[in-house]
Amino acid sequence: KQEVTQIPAALSVPEGENLVLNCSFTDSAIYNLQWFRQDPGKGLTSLLLIQSSQREQTSGRLNASLDKSSGRSTLYIAASQPGDSATYLCAVNNNDMRFGAGTRLTVKP
Amino acid sequence: DAGVIQSPRHEVTEMGQEVTLRCKPISGHNSLFWYRQTMMRGLELLIYFNNNVPIDDSGMPEDRFSAKMPNASFSTLKIQPSEPRDSAVYFCASSGRSSGSNEQFFGPGTRLTVL
Repeated sequence: KQEVTQIPAALSVPEGENLVLNCSFTDSAIYNLQWFRQDPGKGLTSLLLIQSSQREQTSGRLNASLDKSSGRSTLYIAASQPGDSATYLCAVNNNDMRFGAGTRLTVKP
Repeated sequence: DAGVIQSPRHEVTEMGQEVTLRCKPISGHNSLFWYRQTMMRGLELLIYFNNNVPIDDSGMPEDRFSAKMPNASFSTLKIQPSEPRDSAVYFCASSGRSSGSNEQFFGPGTRLTVL
């Protein structure tokens, strides 16, 4: 059974810092990996989808990488802003979507 | 497109009552997923459909839960009878390819409270 772990569970940084969120998974036979953002009391917003054949995806200040062989993905956020404060979830898809517990990010002005 | 639509947004009911949650996927998407989110267990996949057919319902907690997708634009998740431990946020998501390998888009969720 796929296990997805996200480290750290919570992170607080000053505005402007670059930061990295980590996601690890136990079964490397995946179709894709997706990063989401969830604001308190809201649904999930898709940020980036990386197919199993890809190594990274970029969208604006966000860059996600995937190393299938080692079972790891990172989400890099450049020049963080207070509006980036949210919980970030990674989800691994191998015919059964498994979510990590999330990293709660706070960016202080 | 309006995105994935879920109703109701909030539901408060008493133990033993039947609860029906509704979802309208994004037009053109042919995969639909039901999830449950709690503080204790995080996000869990309950069931998913490809082309209106249930593919994997192994995440459905017990027989009190059932899901249907009578057509490509509508799905329901029913709990009968409901119990306090069913209190959670229930999300519906859809994606565009039957293989499930495409990006999933989530609805706003239904917050269910069973008293």
